[in-house]
Amino acid sequence: GENVEQHPSTLSVQEGDSAVIKCTYSDSASNYFPWYKQELGKRPQLIIDIRSNVGEKKDQRIAVTLNKTAKHFSLHITETQPEDSAVYFCAASRDQTGANNLFFGTGTRLTVIP
Amino acid sequence: EAQVTQNPRYLITVTGKKLTVTCSQNMNHEYMSWYRQDPGLGLRQIYYSMNVEVTDKGDVPEGYKVSRKEKRNFPLILESPSPNQTSLYFCASKAPRVGNYGYTFGSGTRLTVV
Repeated sequence: GENVEQHPSTLSVQEGDSAVIKCTYSDSASNYFPWYKQELGKRPQLIIDIRSNVGEKKDQRIAVTLNKTAKHFSLHITETQPEDSAVYFCAASRDQTGANNLFFGTGTRLTVIP
Repeated sequence: EAQVTQNPRYLITVTGKKLTVTCSQNMNHEYMSWYRQDPGLGLRQIYYSMNVEVTDKGDVPEGYKVSRKEKRNFPLILESPSPNQTSLYFCASKAPRVGNYGYTFGSGTRLTVV
């Protein structure tokens, strides 16, 4: 099956700085890559996703890049704010709807220091 | 309000005592899934269902059962719980379409097996 590796496991940044979280995957057939944010004690929530037919996608301060050749994708958060502090999970799936066989990374705990 | 409802939120049980964690969604979603979350391991899929009476194993199905007799409900059954099933469990649902739609997660069930 798919193996998704995520780095770093913890990340601390000063408020206003940028944060980058990287993931690699093993299954070349994977074509859907979502990112979830989980605040302390809460459920994971989708924040952005990307499909294999695009290399980059942006949504305000959040962007995701995908390199299919190298089988890695990254989450970029600019102008970080304290409310960005959470655990972030990347995931990969062969299913374009992302509904089944969604394999998650082990998570990155991001702390934004005011 | 569109939501996925899990019950109970917290459960402490003894080894071998059968238990069921219920999951219900009110969004008429075809896809439902169960995940367990463990420190350092991220979210791992236990079982998923693409529609009524259609279920399939995820990454870690051993020791679990599911059923999908109705579209809105997807209970997780532990016939003989063991301490290694102590974990945080999430139910999630999704509509099968390509777009910026991720899984909607329930609030989680923290299970402790002693």
